[in-house]
Amino acid sequence: DGGITQSPKYLFRKEGQNVTLSCEQNLNHDAMYWYRQDPGQGLRLIYYSQIVNDFQKGDIAEGYSVSREKKESFPLTVTSAQKNPTAFYLCASSIYEGGGNEQFFGPGTRLTVL
Amino acid sequence: AQKITQTQPGMFVQEKEAVTLDCTYDTSDQSYGLFWYKQPSSGEMIFLIYQGSYDEQNATEGRYSLNFQKARKSANLVISASQLGDSAMYFCAMREGTSNTGKLIFGQGTTLQVKP
Repeated sequence: DGGITQSPKYLFRKEGQNVTLSCEQNLNHDAMYWYRQDPGQGLRLIYYSQIVNDFQKGDIAEGYSVSREKKESFPLTVTSAQKNPTAFYLCASSIYEGGGNEQFFGPGTRLTVL
Repeated sequence: AQKITQTQPGMFVQEKEAVTLDCTYDTSDQSYGLFWYKQPSSGEMIFLIYQGSYDEQNATEGRYSLNFQKARKSANLVISASQLGDSAMYFCAMREGTSNTGKLIFGQGTTLQVKP
């Protein structure tokens, strides 16, 4: 089955630690995205990548870093510089052409900073 | 700057009735796309419907339809014959330009509760 996988589902981190969230897709999609969602709020874009080895900052990139070394993978690192990292993180992907218009989403990772 | 506004934080609807969720947008682009997603309590984002700015007909997908009023910059979602499983948070989103790999801007969401 094609889709987007995110791991882990739940993640706990101590203050001051970096942590990396995994996002993998086997849809052969060109673009990948990371969003952050706080309770009762909408999604805010952290980073996105339209092509391998290239990515752009979204609206709230400070304290986060990404890489796009393979088309299938777009890991997100939450660094200790992120002041309030506790949130729900969603990864998404979309195809440049030949498919629908929508972004497909993974199941998300809930990060809690202790 | 592009912006999406959803003014209804929460809505109730009786099972089997229709409900309209409001969405207004702001953009200076002539070419853009509008989306609605559903987010159940599990957290997954489920794509519901898409409307392109140049589409002349309102989009429909089963029980979902999008009431697109371009001059008013509104893109309301209409759910007909509500079901208990429709209880969820609903997000309106916009993408500027024609590329499918552009970024989405989301509204704050509307929580819909369907009463039996």
